[in-house]
Amino acid sequence: GENVEQHPSTLSVQEGDSAVIKCTYSDSASNYFPWYKQELGKGPQLIIDIRSNVGEKKDQRIAVTLNKTAKHFSLHITETQPEDSAVYFCAASMLTGGGNKLTFGTGTQLKVEL
Amino acid sequence: DAMVIQNPRYQVTQFGKPVTLSCSQTLNHNVMYWYQQKSSQAPKLLFHYYDKDFNNEADTPDNFQSRRPNTSFCFLDIRSPGLGDAAMYLCATSRPLGSGTQANTDTQYFGPGTRLTVL
Repeated sequence: GENVEQHPSTLSVQEGDSAVIKCTYSDSASNYFPWYKQELGKGPQLIIDIRSNVGEKKDQRIAVTLNKTAKHFSLHITETQPEDSAVYFCAASMLTGGGNKLTFGTGTQLKVEL
Repeated sequence: DAMVIQNPRYQVTQFGKPVTLSCSQTLNHNVMYWYQQKSSQAPKLLFHYYDKDFNNEADTPDNFQSRRPNTSFCFLDIRSPGLGDAAMYLCATSRPLGSGTQANTDTQYFGPGTRLTVL
């Protein structure tokens, strides 16, 4: 089955700096890669996703890049703000048309310091 | 404007006492998922329903069961909770009805979760 590794496990940045979180996946058949933000005591919230037919996607301060050959994908947050502090999970799956079984990474605790 | 609703938000049960967690959705999605998330860990898929078709993960204990009486509701039943079942239980949905195989409809939307405590 799919295995997703995520690094780093914790990340501290100063407000206004950029943050980068990296993930690798094992199954070359995976073609869908979402990123979720989870605040304490809440469910994960989708912040951005990418499909294997593109290499990069951007939404305001958030961007995701995908390298299918190396089986890497990364989350980039620019101009970080204190409200960006949360746990971020990457995930991978193969879209089958019968449901979408996500395999999550182990999470990154991001702390944005004033 | 909650789209995936989980009740209760906090549930306390006793060791071995059956408990049911509830999930409802207003998104009209035909796939519903249940995940278990233990402290400081990633969510782990227990099972999912595609319409009425139930799909169990191979490593989900028999102690966990699920029911989906209609499109909007899905229940997680824990028949004999053990101390190791204390966790956050997350419900998620995807794929609007009638979407066919459109790839851009597979985004999963999560509910706020139910925090289960086993005494």
